[in-house]
Amino acid sequence: GNSVTQMEGPVTLSEEAFLTINCTYTATGYPSLFWYVQYPGEGLQLLLKATKADDKGSNKGFEATYRKETTSFHLEKGSVQVSDSAVYFCALSFNTGNQFYFGTGTSLTVIP
Amino acid sequence: SAVISQKPSRDICQRGTSLTIQCQVDSQVTMMFWYRQQPGQSLTLIATANQGSEATYESGFVIDKFPISRPNLTFSTLTVSNMSPEDSSIYLCSVEGGNGANVLTFGAGSRLTVL
Repeated sequence: GNSVTQMEGPVTLSEEAFLTINCTYTATGYPSLFWYVQYPGEGLQLLLKATKADDKGSNKGFEATYRKETTSFHLEKGSVQVSDSAVYFCALSFNTGNQFYFGTGTSLTVIP
Repeated sequence: SAVISQKPSRDICQRGTSLTIQCQVDSQVTMMFWYRQQPGQSLTLIATANQGSEATYESGFVIDKFPISRPNLTFSTLTVSNMSPEDSSIYLCSVEGGNGANVLTFGAGSRLTVL
């Protein structure tokens, strides 16, 4: 079946620290991969995506590379800010149909 | 991308009652999706709502428990019927689109607590 596993939180970092949130997936086929972010009191927003192997998605200083060989899509940022405090969700989807599979979310808190 | 408004944003409900969540989109969309986000768990798709036809429910979800209306291309409702504490969740409305195809845009969610 299809599923997404991401590292459990919560994660607490100091400002300017390096961030990695691990995400691995299981899929029957070749999915697109996504990271969504949910800021407090808001809906999920697309952060970045990658549609095929070796693609790198990037946005707002965050990046993730679609690694088919390790079935991973780890989220990284070189220097986090307090404003990055949010819950991050890894997800996969296939272009046919509209079924998305989400991870359980990882809560990030960045302290000054 | 589409802007989605959901209400109520949160509510506290008594066991056995029903609550209807409304979802309004600022543009016409073909499909609207209802998700549930239980505490500490991932998002789970409840159903897909198409205008002019019955909603399509995912495994484990039934129309009697989660009736859905889709009267036009910008609006949908989800009712959580005969609620129990296990229904305490965040319920999210979403549509496809924004930043390309195969991308979901979400409302802020409706946080329900059932006592």
